[in-house]
Amino acid sequence: DAGVTQSPTHLIKTRGQQVTLRCSPKSGHDTVSWYQQALGQGPQFIFQYYEEEERQRGNFPDRFSGHQFPNYSSELNVNALLLGDSALYLCASSPQGPLGYGYTFGSGTRLTVV
Amino acid sequence: AQTVTQSQPEMSVQEAETVTLSCTYDTSENNYYLFWYKQPPSRQMILVIRQEAYKQQNATENRFSVNFQKAAKSFSLKISDSQLGDTAMYFCAFIQRNTGKLIFGQGTTLQVKP
Repeated sequence: DAGVTQSPTHLIKTRGQQVTLRCSPKSGHDTVSWYQQALGQGPQFIFQYYEEEERQRGNFPDRFSGHQFPNYSSELNVNALLLGDSALYLCASSPQGPLGYGYTFGSGTRLTVV
Repeated sequence: AQTVTQSQPEMSVQEAETVTLSCTYDTSENNYYLFWYKQPPSRQMILVIRQEAYKQQNATENRFSVNFQKAAKSFSLKISDSQLGDTAMYFCAFIQRNTGKLIFGQGTTLQVKP
């Protein structure tokens, strides 16, 4: 049973560029959340997608946007990249059920902005 | 605001010994879930143990157990018989039941020494 798959694993972009990160949820999961984890810090919630709609959003600017496809996979887009956007981006999936079972995380995409 | 605080940035323990990681949180909710996640150098966030706030009994998972003090809003993790593979960063997390948003602490880096 495949877990959460993220691509690419590493990415280097130049300031001002745009980037797209991808996530395939665990089989049977229909909700996808994205987190940003700066080096040495805990992950910060970006947003959550369910039924192809953004359901919840954290304190991130509009430069961060996303999409969920009918097969439940998701993309995270970041426009006008800043040096401060350098971080590990984690995708987590869950079934739309009791939240207490927690999420299954992917191994993340390491984004470096130069 | 709901917050999670881990006051120990780094800890070390000898192999086979016991170590306790501390976590406190702040919330006005009555029903919620708490988690401990492990993040090894592979970067994937792995669920170690979870606790449902309405259950008084402390959760246990093999060598891992928690001390949940709801009134004090404390949720510590005890690792017994520490193994080299336990070396990782450990995050305490709280989930908002109405949003499904995970709120993480800053993390504790645990090193198990041979």
